[in-house]
Amino acid sequence: GAGVSQSPSNKVTEKGKDVELRCDPISGHTALYWYRQSLGQGLEFLIYFQGNSAPDKSGLPSDRFSAERTGGSVSTLTIQRTQQEDSAVYLCASSWVTGMEWNGYTFGSGTRLTVV
Amino acid sequence: DAKTTQPTSMDCAEGRAANLPCNHSTISGNEYVYWYRQIHSQGPQYIIHGLKNNETNEMASLIITEDRKSSTLILPHATLRDTAVYYCIVRVRGTGGATNKLIFGTGTLLAVQP
Repeated sequence: GAGVSQSPSNKVTEKGKDVELRCDPISGHTALYWYRQSLGQGLEFLIYFQGNSAPDKSGLPSDRFSAERTGGSVSTLTIQRTQQEDSAVYLCASSWVTGMEWNGYTFGSGTRLTVV
Repeated sequence: DAKTTQPTSMDCAEGRAANLPCNHSTISGNEYVYWYRQIHSQGPQYIIHGLKNNETNEMASLIITEDRKSSTLILPHATLRDTAVYYCIVRVRGTGGATNKLIFGTGTLLAVQP
């Protein structure tokens, strides 16, 4: 597609359940990023994938969070045993990286996760 | 990693130029300055970026001081639709080399007034 697509757009889940959030990056983009944004807060970096390199997981808040990127394209962010503090908008972005030139990334519209 | 400092909020009259400042006094020689904005309930949107020279595109102009310790984003004729949070970001290096990871601060809430 023309942009970064995320699904679902909204997700309500019960505390303790597992959730999966999906991101379809722009075709051809080699880099993919996950961020989250709690209500009224700035963006918090979670994880970054670049080609076949090991992902940068430095932003994942706990071992309940994991992400994978299959075939260098679609990515899934999984949150196990969800807690109320996990409620946030989860944003995915992708970018095309070549050498040292990089024009920033394109964000999707996000998945709003509410844990009740 | 270079940090940025921005005012929490600013007002601007519709039709006037909006000048949003950003301080990045610890910026390294090979780090770019990026600007994004986030309109309510949407994902952030890329505006412009630069290294040393001033830059202009269809959305805005970016003025970077000669010592690169600060920059200003200029929206030449602000409209109500430009009301958003504007983020000034310096590109950082993560693990394994240049990862192009952007760290967002709290940004400046620009309110364009009719």
